[in-house]
Amino acid sequence: AAGVIQSPRHLIKEKRETATLKCYPIPRHDTVYWYQQGPGQDPQFLISFYEKMQSDKGSIPDRFSAQQFSDYHSELNMSSLELGDSALYFCASSPLGEGADTEAFFGQGTRLTVV
Amino acid sequence: SQQGEEDPQALSIQEGENATMNCSYKTSINNLQWYRQNSGRGLVHLILIRSNEREKHSGRLRVTLDTSKKSSSLLITASRAADTASYFCATQGTSYGKLTFGQGTILTVHP
Repeated sequence: AAGVIQSPRHLIKEKRETATLKCYPIPRHDTVYWYQQGPGQDPQFLISFYEKMQSDKGSIPDRFSAQQFSDYHSELNMSSLELGDSALYFCASSPLGEGADTEAFFGQGTRLTVV
Repeated sequence: SQQGEEDPQALSIQEGENATMNCSYKTSINNLQWYRQNSGRGLVHLILIRSNEREKHSGRLRVTLDTSKKSSSLLITASRAADTASYFCATQGTSYGKLTFGQGTILTVHP
């Protein structure tokens, strides 16, 4: 079965550079979430999209932006990168429909290292 | 963590023993979910328990939920070395299904 696909798997950037992370949800899933997981930390919710509209926003820095496109894939754009942005970034999707109580399917993550 | 605490933070047991992990949360929920993460890898969904349920089983997993105490426990019976991983609880409220994670328990099962 198709899973959530994230690219790239690994990314090394220098401080103040820009990075773009991509997420391809499971087909027919209408909701995409982005999470950030620092070393030894729990995943922190960044932002989510439902039917291509932003549905919720968490602790996402103003330097970050995201969008969901007509084909439901999503991109997380990160500018003016800082050392503290080094983390594992996860995308997840779910067939949320009109309710909650739905498990999220996670991608393998993109490991971003800022040097 | 935005969620609360998981207890214990680390657990080391021998194969065949049972492992129990606890999770507390702060806000009202629709459901609570448990996820597993192998080192540096993606999160794998294990089990979901709704707020009106008290106990749920799936294979060697048993989850309980006490909404009055805002707590949950995950029991893994007859553990195996392959169960070695980090385990996170996550709550899902009313806001389009975002998950709020606890800090996780690192489980090590020795062969």
